[in-house]
Amino acid sequence: QVQLQQWGAGLLKPSETLSLTCAVFGGSFSRYYWSWIRQPPGKGLEWIGEINHSGNTNYNPSLKSRVTISVDTSKNQFSLNLSSVTAADTAVYYCARVAGAVYDFWGQGTLVTVSS
Amino acid sequence: DIQMTQSPSTLSASVGDRVTITCRASQSISTWLAWYQQKPGKAPKLLIYKASGLESGVPSRFSGSGSGTEFTLTISSLQPDDFATYYCQQYNSYPYTFGQGTKLEIK
Repeated sequence: QVQLQQWGAGLLKPSETLSLTCAVFGGSFSRYYWSWIRQPPGKGLEWIGEINHSGNTNYNPSLKSRVTISVDTSKNQFSLNLSSVTAADTAVYYCARVAGAVYDFWGQGTLVTVSS
Repeated sequence: DIQMTQSPSTLSASVGDRVTITCRASQSISTWLAWYQQKPGKAPKLLIYKASGLESGVPSRFSGSGSGTEFTLTISSLQPDDFATYYCQQYNSYPYTFGQGTKLEIK
């Protein structure tokens, strides 16, 4: 069974950089793309971007200037960095496996709050 | 970006009811549409892919249909476990986008 376990800082100040990591257990890491999706409190889902084992990425243009997604295939992990955060970046951040462009396995979610 | 609009935003229903949720795309997405169920404090769960494909392990009371710009998710006979929020997602083109959600409440 595939499991995704994510972690990272939950409280940031404006202008800081958000950093989250997702570890994948089970299944094939190299056969899939891996994605980050976020959900502001009480709101809908927003696709942030994705990466494969070779480091090929796709980003949401609305966040592209601030987002970096990276991969560490030796650990079956991938990471999200989002720079210059503001209160608008407060959200639950999820990592997920991309299977044919849909998300079939998800991490548990990490609430990231941006507040001065 | 392709905009996804769900209706209704909230739906009140009873156990045993048949319910339908609609998702409309701002342009044609063929059948590149998925449906997810989300419960409070949990990650979304994939229900339907490619508009009508039932994800493994999902009960057969869930079904999806549609193509082009209009899609529906139907639950044939609501069970207590089905009260949740449902999202559609298009994957016809980047950036992938989601509907705003439909909250299914107990009447």
